[in-house]
Amino acid sequence: DVKVTQSSRYLVKRTGEKVFLECVQDMDHENMFWYRQDPGLGLRLIYFSYDVKMKEKGDIPEGYSVSREKKERFSLILESASTNQTSMYLCASSLSTGYTFGSGTRLTVV
Amino acid sequence: GQQLNQSPQSMFIQEGEDVSMNCTSSSIFNTWLWYKQDPGEGPVLLIALYKAGELTSNGRLTAQFGITRKDSFLNISASIPSDVGIYFCAGENSGGYQKVTFGIGTKLQVIP
Repeated sequence: DVKVTQSSRYLVKRTGEKVFLECVQDMDHENMFWYRQDPGLGLRLIYFSYDVKMKEKGDIPEGYSVSREKKERFSLILESASTNQTSMYLCASSLSTGYTFGSGTRLTVV
Repeated sequence: GQQLNQSPQSMFIQEGEDVSMNCTSSSIFNTWLWYKQDPGEGPVLLIALYKAGELTSNGRLTAQFGITRKDSFLNISASIPSDVGIYFCAGENSGGYQKVTFGIGTKLQVIP
């Protein structure tokens, strides 16, 4: 089974901090994605990557950046965390049909 | 970004009842997918549909790919308490970076 592992289940950070969310997949998938999930808004795509060192903006990239130095790892960076970035963050990877998601990181910015 | 119209947004049902939810889009898709998200976890793929008109079952779940390629539905028969969660529909087109468009989700609560 493909595994997508997100490094933290819960995080609490202060406003203005730089935050790193890490995601690792173990099945050599080309494509990796970061979503945020908020009540009533569903899943919104932040960034995705289809190859090492490649990245594409999703629907809501403002306030975020990403890094993909190795195929198996895709990091989401909040340059200066703000309270409106409090959310559930989901990483996913894919090779063909459908995504495999990680368990999510619930980030609270205070 | 585009989102699919998924309804209902939430449901309370009695254990043993059947459930139906659907998803519509203004665009056509080559593949329709249904995911379930348990509380505190990431979504998990339940069913994938690849052809217009296709009807696919997975245990108590049945899903159909609409003939127009712009809609899909998911039925759950004889619901049980562990069916609780959020169900997402998703549309996917082949080629490109395999970006998937998600519905807003249907939150299902089952009353024992």
